[in-house]
Amino acid sequence: DSGVTQTPKHLITATGQRVTLRCSPRSGDLSVYWYQQSLDQGLQFLIQYYNGEERAKGNILERFSAQQFPDLHSELNLSSLELGDSALYFCASSVDVVFGNSPLHFGNGTRLTVT
Amino acid sequence: DAKTTQPNSMESNEEEPVHLPCNHSTISGTDYIHWYRQLPSQGPEYVIHGLTSNVNNRMASLAIAEDRKSSTLILHRATLRDAAVYYCILSLGIYNTNAGKSTFGDGTTLTVKP
Repeated sequence: DSGVTQTPKHLITATGQRVTLRCSPRSGDLSVYWYQQSLDQGLQFLIQYYNGEERAKGNILERFSAQQFPDLHSELNLSSLELGDSALYFCASSVDVVFGNSPLHFGNGTRLTVT
Repeated sequence: DAKTTQPNSMESNEEEPVHLPCNHSTISGTDYIHWYRQLPSQGPEYVIHGLTSNVNNRMASLAIAEDRKSSTLILHRATLRDAAVYYCILSLGIYNTNAGKSTFGDGTTLTVKP
């Protein structure tokens, strides 16, 4: 058990809809990372927050947004969903602003299916 | 982005050692080398990390080349449960403008034969 909790585990929704994915980081970790994993692609980095502030941004679509709350949990909002957004979405956490000398701990992901 | 290069797949026999290579020729002095593995339908799992010296833990060993441009993950006795996709990634140093944007490549799919 990594200590990172992601909810829900599965999500099925229709095109055009909006969903929110939630992540609770491991106790004591201040950084939260979001990754997308599609069937035909590897783990794509989306965005990182550290102690409530955005720290790094990957190829995150404008339809996607995220935030980290004072209790350090994070939410990833996906709107105007398209079929191509179907993927596994992983959250990871680490202690420091860069995970250099400490591990990244991953949750078990949210499987999003857009129909 | 600091990229890593790994073989697409490797095979091993159960109970034998496995050496998984990774090239990271653009590594900078403050970049850590991390290894993770992912089982089907699960999140990646941390295996080991290091900066310059070789590292050992209960799961594996990490051998880092002297010039740090490559590293090798060593599983001393492969078991069927070690069959997974193994990712080698760089944790970019805090002063790197891309710090935090660590890129996972395609990884190496390890098959363990009984």
